[in-house]
Amino acid sequence: DTAVSQTPKYLVTQMGNDKSIKCEQNLGHDTMYWYKQDSKKFLKIMFSYNNKELIINETVPNRFSPKSPDKAHLNLHINSLELGDSAVYFCASSHGRDTKRYGYTFGSGTRLTVV
Amino acid sequence: DQQVKQNSPSLSVQEGRISILNCDYTNSMFDYFLWYKKYPAEGPTFLISISSIKDKNEDGRFTVFLNKSAKHLSLHIVPSQPGDSAVYFCAASTFNDYKLSFGAGTTVTVRA
Repeated sequence: DTAVSQTPKYLVTQMGNDKSIKCEQNLGHDTMYWYKQDSKKFLKIMFSYNNKELIINETVPNRFSPKSPDKAHLNLHINSLELGDSAVYFCASSHGRDTKRYGYTFGSGTRLTVV
Repeated sequence: DQQVKQNSPSLSVQEGRISILNCDYTNSMFDYFLWYKKYPAEGPTFLISISSIKDKNEDGRFTVFLNKSAKHLSLHIVPSQPGDSAVYFCAASTFNDYKLSFGAGTTVTVRA
């Protein structure tokens, strides 16, 4: 029944590894997002896809690459993980013009710890 | 460059009283403002929004006030309940995209 689901919920990995976080939504939304919540608790947008097309690509290292195989999925792949990548990553989705009035629906987050 | 600021990191209020959360912004191109609530180990959940053409929006115990000239908005929760204890985020979007810019959050604790 989960509207926006992310896997895994927790991820502990060593520096230099490559990892992926998966996100799926069953709300029929057309836009999906990745946000990063850093140690200071700020939520910052990283990427956004609308109908599988990249529409927002904020200034993030090239080691981060989003992939949207279809409207319901948006995955995040991270290469050569660094200590500074440790954060909570949230996936979210929204529906077109409803986004402004009703905002996003967020997943429960993936806590990434790089050691 | 934080365009949405929540200058009070925490707020403690007695059950039954009013909680007032404040948010300031710098970008005059913001056309919608939203409040989110977040419990530990969960994602933020949408609470209430307001268009920049309005100065007040109400939904049950939650009311948001917008003062465009001061670039300030506030969320009032009346009466406060123990289940309201959470982190509250203010967010805003500009007229030409769906990107939300978030404040740092205010942790509300409702005391019995």
